[in-house]
Amino acid sequence: DQQVKQNSPSLSVQEGRISILNCDYTNSMFDYFLWYKKYPAEGPTFLISISSIKDKNEDGRFTVFLNKSAKHLSLHIVPSQPGDSAVYFCAASGGSQGNLIFGKGTKLSVKP
Amino acid sequence: DSGVTQTPKHLITATGQRVTLRCSPRSGDLSVYWYQQSLDQGLQFLIQYYNGEERAKGNILERFSAQQFPDLHSELNLSSLELGDSALYFCASSVVAEPGNEQFFGPGTRLTVL
Repeated sequence: DQQVKQNSPSLSVQEGRISILNCDYTNSMFDYFLWYKKYPAEGPTFLISISSIKDKNEDGRFTVFLNKSAKHLSLHIVPSQPGDSAVYFCAASGGSQGNLIFGKGTKLSVKP
Repeated sequence: DSGVTQTPKHLITATGQRVTLRCSPRSGDLSVYWYQQSLDQGLQFLIQYYNGEERAKGNILERFSAQQFPDLHSELNLSSLELGDSALYFCASSVVAEPGNEQFFGPGTRLTVL
């Protein structure tokens, strides 16, 4: 049973527009959520995170929103750039363990 | 460059064989994690070590084992390999073992079992 779900396998947006990547989770014990970006032939790279005590965290063009009641989070990229084209993984952790539970990823394509 | 190194980059072997994947964490990081990424799957957590001790176990098969050495590098041993073990294996490290800590990933080892 998947505890972290990314229901959109792919997303295509135009350069300069907003990209919105969504993630749902089922385990209410999760208290940290992280987004990772992955290019082909490389390991995932940390992008941004949010604690469950917050509902928004911003870092430059990247903003993560958390809706605890809906068990939903989203990553907004504004404005999107062609270099943002990659696979984005949503991950969660909680309890006493530091390991991450990952979604299956969303492949973002930003068209020039 | 995350500072996490993994060797080898690629590994091709036959069913029934045994292989060892190696990971060196970032300097100063005490915690090491192993993840498996199969085709069309997200990263599945296998096992975590912290300062030489096993800290958490995930979906790791009994045919797989791991350890973290005094110099903090880690090895993942995969034995009696099956076709389904073909995957990307990532190692990640973090300074501490608590939730929410950013994990730095290595480039991965691609294992192909023929």
